[in-house]
Amino acid sequence: SQQGEEDPQALSIQEGENATMNCSYKTSINNLQWYRQNSGRGLVHLILIRSNEREKHSGRLRVTLDTSKKSSSLLITASRAADTASYFCATDDNSGNTGKLIFGQGTTLQVKP
Amino acid sequence: DAGITQSPRHKVTETGTPVTLRCHQTENHRYMYWYRQDPGHGLRLIHYSYGVKDTDKGEVSDGYSVSRSKTEDFLLTLESATSSQTSVYFCAISVVLREKLFFGSGTQLSVL
Repeated sequence: SQQGEEDPQALSIQEGENATMNCSYKTSINNLQWYRQNSGRGLVHLILIRSNEREKHSGRLRVTLDTSKKSSSLLITASRAADTASYFCATDDNSGNTGKLIFGQGTTLQVKP
Repeated sequence: DAGITQSPRHKVTETGTPVTLRCHQTENHRYMYWYRQDPGHGLRLIHYSYGVKDTDKGEVSDGYSVSRSKTEDFLLTLESATSSQTSVYFCAISVVLREKLFFGSGTQLSVL
């Protein structure tokens, strides 16, 4: 299975509610990144958290990283219909200086107005 | 999309024909990548580049070649297209290797 695996696969919430997505990975990492993809578009970088950081905020986004559990979570607070998208975590594999980022399968978020 | 243009946006081709996809950036970023996105597999790295004439293989490089003769252009060539190469192809760029990638809008390729 892939290094980064998101959970849940799909999430449906009402506007104004919070959305939490989780990502698990297998090997040690230098950093973990979250990306968003709107339907039919390329991915957009949201936030990067390094292995020595535990929590990071960016606007309505809060990311946590637990390297002991090899997991991360992305919290979107006060969700909006415009947050409807797929969200992916991505990790490097810390096995050398390669260009490889390992993306998970993604969580599809639907925010109902 | 952060100064990245992919062309063509859509292409339909026949098995056995060569296909070239182009990625053009105006950001002068050092690193460029080609990914493919498939249901059930997510995004997988095909090839990437450190700079002009400096490229390396990703995890699914068989059947693909790349060239980077100028900083701004990264070409992906399918030597002899197969149906298994039907996919959405994304180009990405970054300032730092593997960090904060900016993606293009993608090329939908269908090999019949």
